[in-house]
Amino acid sequence: QKEVEQDPGPLSVPEGAIVSLNCTYSNSAFQYFMWYRQYSRKGPELLMYTYSSGNKEDGRFTAQVDKSSKYISLFIRDSQPSDSATYLCAMSVYRDDKIIFGKGTRLHILP
Amino acid sequence: GAGVSQSPSNKVTEKGKDVELRCDPISGHTALYWYRQRLGQGLEFLIYFQGNSAPDKSGLPSDRFSAERTGESVSTLTIQRTQQEDSAVYLCASSPGLAGGGLYEQYFGPGTRLTVT
Repeated sequence: QKEVEQDPGPLSVPEGAIVSLNCTYSNSAFQYFMWYRQYSRKGPELLMYTYSSGNKEDGRFTAQVDKSSKYISLFIRDSQPSDSATYLCAMSVYRDDKIIFGKGTRLHILP
Repeated sequence: GAGVSQSPSNKVTEKGKDVELRCDPISGHTALYWYRQRLGQGLEFLIYFQGNSAPDKSGLPSDRFSAERTGESVSTLTIQRTQQEDSAVYLCASSPGLAGGGLYEQYFGPGTRLTVT
């Protein structure tokens, strides 16, 4: 079993829809959870991070962590064509050095 | 301020040749990472530098791969005797490190697209 599992997609949704992106993981020691966004031919950029369980909201984006289920989600409200990108989840053990990335989900927002 | 820069942006090389990829991190960032991203794949960790500590080389796929970092500045990833399976985008990232508030906040460069023919 891989440490971090993420459906590669592609996921196509109409503009304005709510998008749900998810990852599962196996290492219960993970404490920091991140979402990176990667546009085509660019490096990933940090979108959001959360520590331990709970929700975090930033504008149209909400990150959710359920440690009991080892499941994290990123919700995008009022999706825009500019949200079309690959979204990578990532996680690390508290104060550990190495971040483990998921393979990324390709998202297409259809105008 | 300047972000992470990488050079060259593209590199085409013949199988068996050596290549050197360069990364200039954000000034003051103590941590530096190299990743490999094959087409349609996620990020594959290669090596990690943190200050003056010994680097974490656990992700290097073979002894043909090596990397160096001078202090807390420039890093070079070297691939010797390149093979076709080395074709990928090589991404560098830097981070303020633990003392700077979080290793999770990695800032990525645009990558070097390596093609081995």
